[in-house]
Amino acid sequence: GAVVSQHPSRVICKSGTSVKIECRSLDFQATTMFWYRQFPKQSLMLMATSNEGSKATYEQGVEKDKFLINHASLTLSTLTVTSAHPEDSSFYICSAVRGGGSDTQYFGPGTRLTVL
Amino acid sequence: EDQVTQSPEALRLQEGESSSLNCSYTVSGLRGLFWYRQDPGKGPEFLFTLYSAGEEKEKERLKATLTKKESFLHITAPKPEDSATYLCAVPNFGNEKLTFGTGTRLTIIP
Repeated sequence: GAVVSQHPSRVICKSGTSVKIECRSLDFQATTMFWYRQFPKQSLMLMATSNEGSKATYEQGVEKDKFLINHASLTLSTLTVTSAHPEDSSFYICSAVRGGGSDTQYFGPGTRLTVL
Repeated sequence: EDQVTQSPEALRLQEGESSSLNCSYTVSGLRGLFWYRQDPGKGPEFLFTLYSAGEEKEKERLKATLTKKESFLHITAPKPEDSATYLCAVPNFGNEKLTFGTGTRLTIIP
């Protein structure tokens, strides 16, 4: 199979602090990973595309200085929410594309961020 | 611009009552259509990829089919554990981004 993990699964932080979320592809190498945000009862909203060894590409309206993305290896991408505020509270989900000609995105289990 | 529309928005079925979920799409060039299942508080779980009209794939009580304009997810004799939101998505031409439908929230009543 194709397994993608995220850590942590839940995090609660104080306003103004930074939070790092890790996304790992456990049994395959992913040249491309994506970061999504999901609000209750809504579909996934793409935040950014992360490519190994290059800068992330952010969707319109997503602040790149607030949501820092690093894709350090073919199996790890991180999302850091800097100076978090209550409005950043959300469900963050990553996905990874398995190479070899397949476009299939495999999703992580998600991270619930609550900013107090 | 690629568009994906799912219907119905919500569906309640009795256990054992078969039905179908619809995913209509408009794309510049189909490079595949994906079906996912999402449980509350979890990330989407991959179910199927379909690449060409006429293709069918099955997994347990689920069967996905594809035409040139739409895809169906048929669920046969569903069980309560099949309750979830089912999402379909198509990859954008030229990159690997996905365009998602809004999903169908399926509830199977025991």
